[in-house]
Amino acid sequence: GAGVSQSPSNKVTEKGKDVELRCDPISGHTALYWYRQSLGQGLEFLIYFQGNSAPDKSGLPSDRFSAERTGGSVSTLTIQRTQQEDSAVYLCASSREIYNEQFFGPGTRLTVL
Amino acid sequence: GQQLNQSPQSMFIQEGEDVSMNCTSSSIFNTWLWYKQDPGEGPVLLIALYKAGELTSNGRLTAQFGITRKDSFLNISASIPSDVGIYFCAGPPNTGNQFYFGTGTSLTVIP
Repeated sequence: GAGVSQSPSNKVTEKGKDVELRCDPISGHTALYWYRQSLGQGLEFLIYFQGNSAPDKSGLPSDRFSAERTGGSVSTLTIQRTQQEDSAVYLCASSREIYNEQFFGPGTRLTVL
Repeated sequence: GQQLNQSPQSMFIQEGEDVSMNCTSSSIFNTWLWYKQDPGEGPVLLIALYKAGELTSNGRLTAQFGITRKDSFLNISASIPSDVGIYFCAGPPNTGNQFYFGTGTSLTVIP
């Protein structure tokens, strides 16, 4: 069985451009989480989805960040009008149910020039 | 917001030594999870704890769920070079609907 996959693995963009980051969770996992990790730092919770429920957006750092999850599976994190401080590794995780053990993808390294 | 504080922040030890690290919170947690992150990788779950006072082992790793439910401990016995990485505690507090990761403990094992 495949683990959590994320794409792209690396993304370099110019300040002001929009980016989309994709996450494919483990099949059958109902919960999906997005985190941000700056260099040498811990994980900052951004948003999670549980099944078809409305996502908990309380961790999103600004209204430039949004996420959706289509059909209860694949999720896309969108960052509009990127800023240099958005540069970080964006990690996705999934779990069978909310608060179960989370399994992480390899992350997308975003660099905003 | 919620803060999970881990100590020590970093450790440099000789191969073969035992390691102890801990995680404390200002809130009660229902679950404590310990993850390890290798460079360039996502965190990988090591141990999950679900009950106050619970002591669980996974090979050379042992973790405990503190009886106050506000702390947890991770011990690594007889460290080896591949133990190098950053160790994170994590979990959901018993109120609210977020999930928090600790500040991390960076472990370096000197052969």
